[in-house]
Amino acid sequence: QITLKESGPTLVKPTQTLTLTCTFSGFALTTSGVGVGWIRQPPGKALEWLALIYWDDDKRYSPSLNSRLTITKDTSKNQVVLKMTNMDPVDTATYFCAHDYGDYAFNYWGQGTLVTVSS
Amino acid sequence: AIQLTQSPSSLSASVGDRVTITCRASQGISSVLAWYQQKPGKAPKLLIYDASTLETGVPLRFSGSESGTDFTLTISSLQPEDFATYYCQQFSKYPLTFGGGTKVEIK
Repeated sequence: QITLKESGPTLVKPTQTLTLTCTFSGFALTTSGVGVGWIRQPPGKALEWLALIYWDDDKRYSPSLNSRLTITKDTSKNQVVLKMTNMDPVDTATYFCAHDYGDYAFNYWGQGTLVTVSS
Repeated sequence: AIQLTQSPSSLSASVGDRVTITCRASQGISSVLAWYQQKPGKAPKLLIYDASTLETGVPLRFSGSESGTDFTLTISSLQPEDFATYYCQQFSKYPLTFGGGTKVEIK
């Protein structure tokens, strides 16, 4: 059974760096073809893809946020970490991590974590 | 980036209605399109991938089709639990993109 869970701060101040951790079980991020992605959703708005890391450490980023994002993995802990620098109130959103199903879809999602950016 | 334009942005329908949602891609995406259902306060749930392949456990009243760069999600007979927001997403080219969503409301 595949599960993912996001963790991190619920409130960050503008200009701070956000660090979110996705802890997963039921699969290994060393298995060929497997990936973990991050997606966010501002309140009342649509989903936005942020980043994805693959089993072979290939990393992909949203071009609009590329300079602010870093995605890493720790296979020994079954974790994927997303860092986003220079947070702004417009970054207020629920952040989800999700299992990449062979580059076809995200078939398992975490419950999401709401991050509010405010001074 | 490939843009996905969903229509309509919202619709009202009754239980038992046939519902069709369209997602138009700004360029060819080789059928690598997924559909998700999202209920308030919940994570999206995968319904269909590869444009028309039903995810395991998803009811058969959901189906997907494509015609060129136009993709369609159809619910053959709307059930009470289907009232939600639906998103399309392409996995063909980076950056990955989602449609703007279609909210299906009770009429």
